[in-house]
Amino acid sequence: EVQLLQSGGGLAQPGGSLRLSCSASGFTFNAYAMTWVRQAPGKGLEWVSSISTSGGDTYHADSVKGRFTISRDNFKNTLYLNMNSLRVEDTATYYCAQTTVVAPGWSWGQGTPVTVSS
Amino acid sequence: EILMTQSPATLSVSPRERVTLSCRASQSVRSHLAWYQQKPGQAPRLLIYGASTRAPGIPARFSGSGSGTEFTLTISSLQSEDFAVYYCQQYNNWPQDTFGQGTRLDFK
Repeated sequence: EVQLLQSGGGLAQPGGSLRLSCSASGFTFNAYAMTWVRQAPGKGLEWVSSISTSGGDTYHADSVKGRFTISRDNFKNTLYLNMNSLRVEDTATYYCAQTTVVAPGWSWGQGTPVTVSS
Repeated sequence: EILMTQSPATLSVSPRERVTLSCRASQSVRSHLAWYQQKPGQAPRLLIYGASTRAPGIPARFSGSGSGTEFTLTISSLQSEDFAVYYCQQYNNWPQDTFGQGTRLDFK
């Protein structure tokens, strides 16, 4: 059974930093691209970042480019999202997702809330 | 950026009704279209990929159709557990995926 267990997040001040983690099990982690998606309170889903199987290729939405960095450790079966220069508008629940060739969101983590407020 | 537009925003329905949700893309996404279901406080769940293929474990009452710019998700006989928000997502130009704004199914 695929499991994506998220940790990290919480409260940060504007301009601050946070790191999200997503620990994977139940599948061959290094065989799948991975993705972060966020959802602001009461709003819809927004793609944030994706990373290739090796980690050599990374992609970020314009709204987070230069501030967020996606990475992965295939030895630890863990996906990360480093978030710097946080803004109030980054407040959201962040989900990690297993990405397959047929669907970007094949399996999802449970979500972790991030609140940016002074 | 490919814009995805879902309609209606909210649909009031009763159990056992047949429900049809629409999703339109601003340009062709071929069949690179997925549907997700999200219940309050939960992560999204993949229902349909490739516009018409049910994900593993998804009941047969859910079906998807369409290609290009017009897509439909149909629930043949709504069950109580189907009241949720449904999102479409295009992945034709992965990783620049985009989601629709969602359609909420409310109890009539």
